[in-house]
Amino acid sequence: SQQGEEDPQALSIQEGENATMNCSYKTSINNLQWYRQNSGRGLVHLILIRSNEREKHSGRLRVTLDTSKKSSSLLITASRAADTASYFCATDADTYQAGTALIFGKGTTLSVSS
Amino acid sequence: NAGVMQNPRHLVRRRGQEARLRCSPMKGHSHVYWYRQLPEEGLKFMVYLQKENIIDESGMPKERFSAEFPKEGPSILRIQQVVRGDSAAYFCASSPGTELSQPQHFGDGTRLSIL
Repeated sequence: SQQGEEDPQALSIQEGENATMNCSYKTSINNLQWYRQNSGRGLVHLILIRSNEREKHSGRLRVTLDTSKKSSSLLITASRAADTASYFCATDADTYQAGTALIFGKGTTLSVSS
Repeated sequence: NAGVMQNPRHLVRRRGQEARLRCSPMKGHSHVYWYRQLPEEGLKFMVYLQKENIIDESGMPKERFSAEFPKEGPSILRIQQVVRGDSAAYFCASSPGTELSQPQHFGDGTRLSIL
């Protein structure tokens, strides 16, 4: 079953603008992760936010987590053409066991034009 | 490159043949995960293995699919008697697996095409 659902499905912006992607999930989690996938490549881990954290930063990335609403957002500031990719949120399938499968949403496809 | 290595990158098979996909995890990682991705979709979990053990195969079809992670060598995802619906990108990920809440590191995938 689908755990994470990203919104919007597709986003087109100009270089320099900010991009915001949202993710909703259904069950309790230990953490939520965001990944990027360039066309034809594997997923690259961007950031992990734990269930007891509300906000986390990494470079131009800002992630928020609202466990009461079961939602997260990924903000990319001052976007660049190289940020063009698909972005996925993922949650862990088992909250009690180390090393657990991830459940992915369908992703947001971001296009940044110069 | 000490990342997750998958081979082949592209694999073409005819219906009824067998497909073998290989994955070498990152050095020091003992947990391996296989995922399948259909076009325009997110990744779907298939199977989770540790060395010589299958931990969770709840996402893997009961028939025709099998996975192993031997003591020596790469993890293998094996699909017997392939059908057109098996066409997809198959990704392997690994993690150290010693702590709760760890990122998984992905390979670039094997794109399987069934003729």
